[in-house]
Amino acid sequence: SQQGEEDPQALSIQEGENATMNCSYKTSINNLQWYRQNSGRGLVHLILIRSNEREKHSGRLRVTLDTSKKSSSLLITASRAADTASYFCATDANYGQNFVFGPGTRLSVLP
Amino acid sequence: DVKVTQSSRYLVKRTGEKVFLECVQDMDHENMFWYRQDPGLGLRLIYFSYDVKMKEKGDIPEGYSVSREKKERFSLILESASTNQTSMYLCASMRGGTGELFFGEGSRLTVL
Repeated sequence: SQQGEEDPQALSIQEGENATMNCSYKTSINNLQWYRQNSGRGLVHLILIRSNEREKHSGRLRVTLDTSKKSSSLLITASRAADTASYFCATDANYGQNFVFGPGTRLSVLP
Repeated sequence: DVKVTQSSRYLVKRTGEKVFLECVQDMDHENMFWYRQDPGLGLRLIYFSYDVKMKEKGDIPEGYSVSREKKERFSLILESASTNQTSMYLCASMRGGTGELFFGEGSRLTVL
């Protein structure tokens, strides 16, 4: 029943460049969230976008949602070495009863 | 500062042993979750609970049970550990309806 699928699986960029990650899902959702995970640690919530929203910003993060294509993208602008982490999208189809996570995108930002 | 605390960061157990993983949150959240995380598979939901003494099966409940006797504590139990349960286990909590999950640091279990 895996919903979210991130793309690419791994991404390597230079510091200062922008990083874009995509997420596709299969069924209707109430909201979509992005999380970040540093190696060997728990996940940290980044941003939530509701199904009736198309774009949301938070600091250097920009998230878009296209419900007609069942896809979302996460853009990190002016990346830093500290942004190196895995990024996961999570879809919520049942008002918080069951989030479904994708396998993640592993981002490496090289100094 | 909000906090979800998992009792053990690293555990090594033998096949057949009973394993308890405990999770405590200090945010008075109604909802709590147990996930396991394996490379290439992302996070998979084992069980969740939306109230004290309530539990719901997730996608992969086989081989696991849970207990929620108090609102702040959600325990994951492996009755008889097997090698295919070697994994990272993540606990999370959420205030009802908000949608934001707060995660613990994870418990890495190795079953020999």
